[in-house]
Amino acid sequence: TQLLEQSPQFLSIQEGENLTVYCNSSSVFSSLQWYRQEPGEGPVLLVTVVTGGEVKKLKRLTFQFGDARKDSSLHITAAQPGDTGLYLCAGGGNQFYFGTGTSLTVIP
Amino acid sequence: NAGVMQNPRHLVRRRGQEARLRCSPMKGHSHVYWYRQLPEEGLKFMVYLQKENIIDESGMPKERFSAEFPKEGPSILRIQQVVRGDSAAYFCASSIQGAENTGELFFGEGSRLTVL
Repeated sequence: TQLLEQSPQFLSIQEGENLTVYCNSSSVFSSLQWYRQEPGEGPVLLVTVVTGGEVKKLKRLTFQFGDARKDSSLHITAAQPGDTGLYLCAGGGNQFYFGTGTSLTVIP
Repeated sequence: NAGVMQNPRHLVRRRGQEARLRCSPMKGHSHVYWYRQLPEEGLKFMVYLQKENIIDESGMPKERFSAEFPKEGPSILRIQQVVRGDSAAYFCASSIQGAENTGELFFGEGSRLTVL
């Protein structure tokens, strides 16, 4: 059972545009993580959100944890080609689940 | 200061052969996770191990797949009698405390299995 659904699955945008990626679940998580994966490599942690309603910023990336701790979003401002990659949300206990993923392509 | 080391990076097997994938966690990490990934998809949890113990293997097929993390040496994911559907990238990740506590997993570069 996939607990973390991400949308959209694929996203192709022009350099300079803004975008938002969503991660939704019917389950409550004590924390959620966002990872980024580049082709041929393993995922790398971007951020962890813990408190409901929490907002964290990492340069042009803004992460938000839903008030009920069931969902999260990632907003990228003025996307750049270097942002291209697979974005994954993750969370859980012993079964540490990853979301279905959003494949982002930023066109120069 | 080596990261998570996986080998082989690429493995080709014929149907019916065995595949053995190895993972050396980061120094000081005693928690290991194995995931499977198909192209353009997320990672599917397979198994969570600590030294000498399988904590959760609910994501692993009950037949042909096994995993171990011995007291000494790397963690091993073993696939017996491989079939074409086993073709995928297999990622190993390690954590110092367990992902449910820290949320941070350090990943290897993956082992890409191709079954002919």
